[in-house]
Amino acid sequence: GAVVSQHPSWVICKSGTSVKIECRSLDFQATTMFWYRQFPKQSLMLMATSNEGSKATYEQGVEKDKFLINHASLTLSTLTVTSAHPEDSSFYICSAKVLSDTEQYFGPGTRLTVT
Amino acid sequence: GQNIDQPTEMTATEGAIVQINCTYQTSGFNGLFWYQQHAGEAPTFLSYNVLDGLEEKGRFSSFLSRSKGYSYLLLKELQMKDSASYLCASMDSNYQLIWGAGTKLIIKP
Repeated sequence: GAVVSQHPSWVICKSGTSVKIECRSLDFQATTMFWYRQFPKQSLMLMATSNEGSKATYEQGVEKDKFLINHASLTLSTLTVTSAHPEDSSFYICSAKVLSDTEQYFGPGTRLTVT
Repeated sequence: GQNIDQPTEMTATEGAIVQINCTYQTSGFNGLFWYQQHAGEAPTFLSYNVLDGLEEKGRFSSFLSRSKGYSYLLLKELQMKDSASYLCASMDSNYQLIWGAGTKLIIKP
């Protein structure tokens, strides 16, 4: 149980275009989903926390107009990187949890390369 | 401020034992997590400690001392597949995970 999927696994896009990444909890209802970014040889950096049906809470330094997060249902959250630039190239990982649980269940990650 | 410290890299021999230490300072405390992350993959959960003491799970054990703000992950009978980064994360009063930079563990035959 507690499986989280991400789609796509990897994506290459041109500078200036937008990319949408989906995060789904497959066998449980996630009250909270987290979006992380990880640059090579660095630890996870939390970008934002989203609760179903409400606006995401962004971490300091993360542009909410650039990284659009939608948590429309208890099983789906999306991250849209708008007007992507090469410096946005990174490994994006989502995780999900239920209200009563402390553990976060991670998706497999999405490798974004902006050319 | 909030801070998690762990060594950047460690090397150990196949079949041996290695201990990865982690010290933490967070606003409130709701537990200490250890995750394993292989290159290019997402983290996978290893352990969770919220009470002082040692939790054993097969070849892996995790220890917590809340008064010292200290935890360690102990890996026994090391295998080549254990080569990975090990991430320490403390959960703060808002139930948010504060992550360490990770310890890259290199296993040599």
